[in-house]
Amino acid sequence: SQQGEEDPQALSIQEGENATMNCSYKTSINNLQWYRQNSGRGLVHLILIRSNEREKHSGRLRVTLDTSKKSSSLLITASRAADTASYFCATDAPSSGDKLTFGTGTRLAVRP
Amino acid sequence: KAGVTQTPRYLIKTRGQQVTLSCSPISGHRSVSWYQQTPGQGLQFLFEYFSETQRNKGNFPGRFSGRQFSNSRSEMNVSTLELGDSALYLCASSLGDREGQPQHFGDGTRLSIL
Repeated sequence: SQQGEEDPQALSIQEGENATMNCSYKTSINNLQWYRQNSGRGLVHLILIRSNEREKHSGRLRVTLDTSKKSSSLLITASRAADTASYFCATDAPSSGDKLTFGTGTRLAVRP
Repeated sequence: KAGVTQTPRYLIKTRGQQVTLSCSPISGHRSVSWYQQTPGQGLQFLFEYFSETQRNKGNFPGRFSGRQFSNSRSEMNVSTLELGDSALYLCASSLGDREGQPQHFGDGTRLSIL
C-alpha cells in the first residue's frame, strides 16, 4: 500500500522556472526521503529530512516537512531540462517496520 | 566505487516459469532491499536482507522469495510466473546499520511475462 501520495501527478514547466512537488503521508515517520528516477533507470537519492527537521537545502533543492499536516514539499529552483524525471517521496515509519514506503510520484517535464 | 549492479537488465519469460534475478550491492553495504515497480501499483517493497537474514518483508505471495550471500550479493526468485508479475524489479543497497540511511538503487531488471 502507498504511504505517500504526491501532487501533482504531472508537472510541465519552462526551463528556469521553479518546480514544486508535494507529498502527503498517513502515519508518523522517522524520516522522509526524496528520490529522482529518469526513464528506464533506477532511483537516485536526493535528500533526507528527519522528523525533527522542518527544512533542508541541497544545491537547487529545498525540502520542507510539516509533521502536523503529515506533508512535505520539494522545490527545485531554476529548473533545467536535465531535471526532467519522476520524483518520489519515501517515508521511513515505525509502523511499517522501518522499511521505505514510496509515494506515487510526480512526473516533471522541463521544456528547454 | 562501483554502484549497485543488477543482472540481467531484461528478461522475457512465459507463465508458469520461474526466474532468478541478481543484485550486487555497493562494496561495504550489508543491506539489500528489493522493490517491484509497475505503472498501476507504483513502487512496492518486496523484502530486505541484512547480513544474510531477511529483516523485513512486504505483502507479496510466497512465490516471491530471496536470499543473501555472505558477500552481501542477493538474489530474488519468483516461481510460477503470472502475467501480473511483469514489472521493473529494483534492488537497493545501504549500510543498513542504523535508521535513516539513503538507499542506492540499481537500474533494475525489466521482466516481461508472455
